[in-house]
Amino acid sequence: RKEVEQDPGPFNVPEGATVAFNCTYSNSASQSFFWYRQDCRKEPKLLMSVYSSGNEDGRFTAQLNRASQYISLLIRDSKLSDSATYLCVVNKGGNFNKFYFGSGTKLNVKP
Amino acid sequence: ETGVTQSPTHLIKTRGQQVTLRCSSQSGHNTVSWYQQALGQGPQFIFQYYREEENGRGNFPPRFSGLQFPNYSSELNVNALELDDSALYLCASSLRRGGGETQYFGPGTRLLVL
Repeated sequence: RKEVEQDPGPFNVPEGATVAFNCTYSNSASQSFFWYRQDCRKEPKLLMSVYSSGNEDGRFTAQLNRASQYISLLIRDSKLSDSATYLCVVNKGGNFNKFYFGSGTKLNVKP
Repeated sequence: ETGVTQSPTHLIKTRGQQVTLRCSSQSGHNTVSWYQQALGQGPQFIFQYYREEENGRGNFPPRFSGLQFPNYSSELNVNALELDDSALYLCASSLRRGGGETQYFGPGTRLLVL
């Protein structure tokens, strides 16, 4: 079983739509969680960290459910520029640090 | 941008050769991680260096090795290249403070093995 699993999509949505991505992780000892955005042929860029209390940054809201080992990202009022692949990242932390990326969920926002 | 730089940007090698990729971390960061990203996949963790020592390793064979220098820059070395080593190699720098560190990525090196 993969450490981090995501629905690969693609999610094809019209501008202005609300879209949600989910991610599950297998190791309950995981300590920190992130969403990254990756544009085609570019490096991943940090979108936001994810906290148990949930956090919001403008149109983006991230949630963490430790009991279900589940992370979500909600994008409201989608823009054309939101089209990208969204990567879920889990960090085990501890003395030997390991970061695990999901395979990514592709989002296409259409006019 | 992130301030993380990598060189070279592109590289073509043949099977059996050796390659060295380089990464300069963001100012103030003490940790560098290396990832391999195959087409259509998420980045796969190779290893992390903290204060010049390997501090975590993914499922990669020993022919993948690395170094971190006193200025926190880093190298990834791959020996005996195989066709499957063709990928985007990403380095990420972070400030290790006992947990919750955030990684910032460089633009990557695209390696093609023929």
